Amino acid sequence: DTEVTQTPKHLVMGMTNKKSLKCEQHMGHRAMYWYKQKAKKPPELMFVYSYEKLSINESVPSRFSPECPNSSLLNLHLHALQPEDSALYLCASSQDQRWSEQYFGPGTRLTVT
Amino acid sequence: AQKVTQAQTEISVVEKEDVTLDCVYETRDTTYYLFWYKQPPSGELVFLIRRNSFDEQNEISGRYSWNFQKSTSSFNFTITASQVVDSAVYFCALSEAGVLGTSYDKVIFGPGTSLSVIP
Repeated sequence: DTEVTQTPKHLVMGMTNKKSLKCEQHMGHRAMYWYKQKAKKPPELMFVYSYEKLSINESVPSRFSPECPNSSLLNLHLHALQPEDSALYLCASSQDQRWSEQYFGPGTRLTVT
Repeated sequence: AQKVTQAQTEISVVEKEDVTLDCVYETRDTTYYLFWYKQPPSGELVFLIRRNSFDEQNEISGRYSWNFQKSTSSFNFTITASQVVDSAVYFCALSEAGVLGTSYDKVIFGPGTSLSVIP
């Protein structure tokens, strides 16, 4: 079963809201990722959680914060977002961080109003 | 400096034509991996192929084939007898080792090529 699930599929939130995106994989993968993708652009890596270590793309603002409750779950907490944060947020997982292909979820389309 | 280049931004072909998507990469590593992903209009990226730097054999999977040439740092993707379902954005990607102690391993995506197959 090569499936990564993401909830919700769509999210509309105001700039003062707090929300969370959820991602789950049941493939026993040791690395999970959050990407942000704007229209007509490639995915941009935001966070990597690999072998219980979190790596952060330093360009990601602090209004995004990841949380890894266990090895199969990776959440993304959102707080005080800006309209420019509207994008498709993709979660992925892989056997390991560097050498393995990544399996992506269907994404959450986020709109910040 | 851009590490993965996909010079073709958009390509349109008529159904049943063959089409080649170009990918040129740049890396300092001697060991690396290259990937192709497909992103249909639904948005979910789908893994197509992984190739390591020591394996230059071409690969064929059904209507898909890949040509890896280290001498030109290219990893091109050909779709034979294209179909409407092939319409998607295709990303070439390179795994890159982080600089020890300062950054982390990650996959670098190219800018993507949008393929439209017209019936």
